Amino acid sequence: NAGVTQTPKFQVLKTGQSMTLQCAQDMNHEYMSWYRQDPGMGLRLIHYSVGAGITDQGEVPNGYNVSRSTTEDFPLRLLSAAPSQTSVYFCASSYYGSGTYSPLHFGNGTRLTVT
Amino acid sequence: AQSVTQLDSQVPVFEEAPVELRCNYSSSVSVYLFWYVQYPNQGLQLLLKYLSGSTLVKSINGFEAEFNKSQTSFHLRKPSVHISDTAEYFCAVTSISSGSARQLTFGSGTQLTVLP
Repeated sequence: NAGVTQTPKFQVLKTGQSMTLQCAQDMNHEYMSWYRQDPGMGLRLIHYSVGAGITDQGEVPNGYNVSRSTTEDFPLRLLSAAPSQTSVYFCASSYYGSGTYSPLHFGNGTRLTVT
Repeated sequence: AQSVTQLDSQVPVFEEAPVELRCNYSSSVSVYLFWYVQYPNQGLQLLLKYLSGSTLVKSINGFEAEFNKSQTSFHLRKPSVHISDTAEYFCAVTSISSGSARQLTFGSGTQLTVLP
């Protein structure tokens, strides 16, 4: 199983440029989410989705857009990159619904630098 | 809303010594608790979890954590560490209520460095 796949692994952007971070999972998970990791701050939730066509904001959504057209994919869009968005971005997924709790599965991250 | 405090940002320890990584949480509702481990240039991997039942939970590689409701703590321990345990460890919490059960709140992380 590939699990959660994130592309690209590394990216350098200039201020004002746009880009999309890709996330795909092959586990048929309903729940998908994006976190950013910054030194000394742990991981903070950006956006999440509980199924195709459903998205919602997390703790730090400003400057980011998401959509969920399929169960497998959950891209994160930066419309106008800013230096404050320099970070490591993680996508995570899990089963969702009543019953036994299903822990998050994480991708290996995308390291983004905005100059 | 929940919050997680990991009191130690760096913990150096010699190989084969015991270690404790501390985690305290704050929440007005019942919670699930987790420890995740992150090796260099990798994503986070679930180390162990407390959902219900026995307050002492164990991982397959010798770590254990105890849920202490009165002290709102979930400290991670290992009686004898190996070089390969060098990694960053994150404590996380989520409320049990439906609709938010996947939204984890993470602590700031503790870098465990095992010295030869």
